Amino acid sequence: QQQVKQSPQSLIVQKGGISIINCAYENTAFDYFPWYQQFPGKGPALLIAIRPDVSEKKEGRFTISFNKSAKQFSLHIMDSQPGDSATYFCAASMAAAGNKLTFGGGTRVLVKP
Amino acid sequence: KAGVTQTPRYLIKTRGQQVTLSCSPISGHRSVSWYQQTPGQGLQFLFEYFSETQRNKGNFPGRFSGRQFSNSRSEMNVSTLELGDSALYLCASRETGGGVEEQYFGPGTRLTVT
Repeated sequence: QQQVKQSPQSLIVQKGGISIINCAYENTAFDYFPWYQQFPGKGPALLIAIRPDVSEKKEGRFTISFNKSAKQFSLHIMDSQPGDSATYFCAASMAAAGNKLTFGGGTRVLVKP
Repeated sequence: KAGVTQTPRYLIKTRGQQVTLSCSPISGHRSVSWYQQTPGQGLQFLFEYFSETQRNKGNFPGRFSGRQFSNSRSEMNVSTLELGDSALYLCASRETGGGVEEQYFGPGTRLTVT
């Protein structure tokens, strides 16, 4: 059972544009929603995370929007740069399940100069 | 602080063999989790160790096992390797494993089974 669905699978954006990645979850017990960035040959790196009691969180050019009623959350990358080209994973976890991360399928983002 | 380290970085094994992968968490981190990453299945949770005890386990066969030492270093073992075990194996650490804590991943071990 895929508990976290991520879209799109891939994304091409021009330098300076906005990249938007969406995730939907099924289990309402999830209580922590991080986003990870992964470059080829590297492990995932934590980018930004949000709890369900907050509707939006911004860190630099990265913003998470969270819609609890729709069970959806999204990552916005503002002013996208070629260095942002990577694969992005959303994830969810719940304290009741030992905080193990359930990942979305990933989105490969390519920022064209 | 040094990040999570994993050894070896690359490994080639033959079907039927067994393999042991090692993970050293960030200094002071006591929880270590293991994940398998494949193109088809994505990132999947294997198990988590805290204070030398397995606290959580994913849906993997018993061929996959692990352990944690008193210094928080962890190893995972895969016995009777199958072609489908070819994957990037990632280790992640966090301070105590309780509450909402950031998990930090290592670079992974790329296992190829031939």
